[in-house]
Amino acid sequence: QAVLTQPPSVSAAPGQKVTISCSGTNSNIGNNFVSWWQQFPGTAPKFLIFENDKRGSGIPDRFSGSKSGTSATLGITGLQTGDEADYYCGTWDSSLSAVVFGGGTKLTVL
Amino acid sequence: QVQLVQSGSELKTPGASVKVSCKASGYIFTNNGLSWVRQAPGQGLEWMGWINTATGNPTYAQGFAGRFVFSLDTSVSTAHLQISSLKADDTAVYYCVRELRSGYLSSCAYWGQGTPVTVSS
Repeated sequence: QAVLTQPPSVSAAPGQKVTISCSGTNSNIGNNFVSWWQQFPGTAPKFLIFENDKRGSGIPDRFSGSKSGTSATLGITGLQTGDEADYYCGTWDSSLSAVVFGGGTKLTVL
Repeated sequence: QVQLVQSGSELKTPGASVKVSCKASGYIFTNNGLSWVRQAPGQGLEWMGWINTATGNPTYAQGFAGRFVFSLDTSVSTAHLQISSLKADDTAVYYCVRELRSGYLSSCAYWGQGTPVTVSS
């Protein structure tokens, strides 16, 4: 059971926008930075977003992050079929003294 | 550029031990902490803990104390994960992960390619 809550799946058409939510508590998202990763089958996760809304090196500006209270959101605009992947959020949990992740969201580009 | 290169896949029988290595390059090894992350087949990411590469001090997440040991060989910029008394549910891909900058463990910015460990009789 993941500490952070993500929807299992989302879908949208090519060229459209999609958002992926990540919900937590004050001990994690509410008081710590959120990161996001993209993972294709059989490969390691790729660093997308850090400090809630900053893009990692080489990440296109189609990807954006935001945080409000105990929730965070990953946004992807101009969807491409190559964006089909699993997306994970994560942060530090001050009560657990651990890095915690969401359960992952599978993005389908229809 | 930062690179983390892990050892190859492992097939072990229950009760055996395995040691996974993670060789770092492209930065000063002792400047950044290294975490270990587990991903069971078809499942999400699970943080196992981290090792302070400056001091060698390991910290284990809940559920990963005892059979799991993090260690270093700083002379060759390599971290190790050893798992003893292997069980079938240890079957997973194990990743070593470097933080973006010192003190920001949850950034998990740089990932090794992963080492699949299969435990089966």
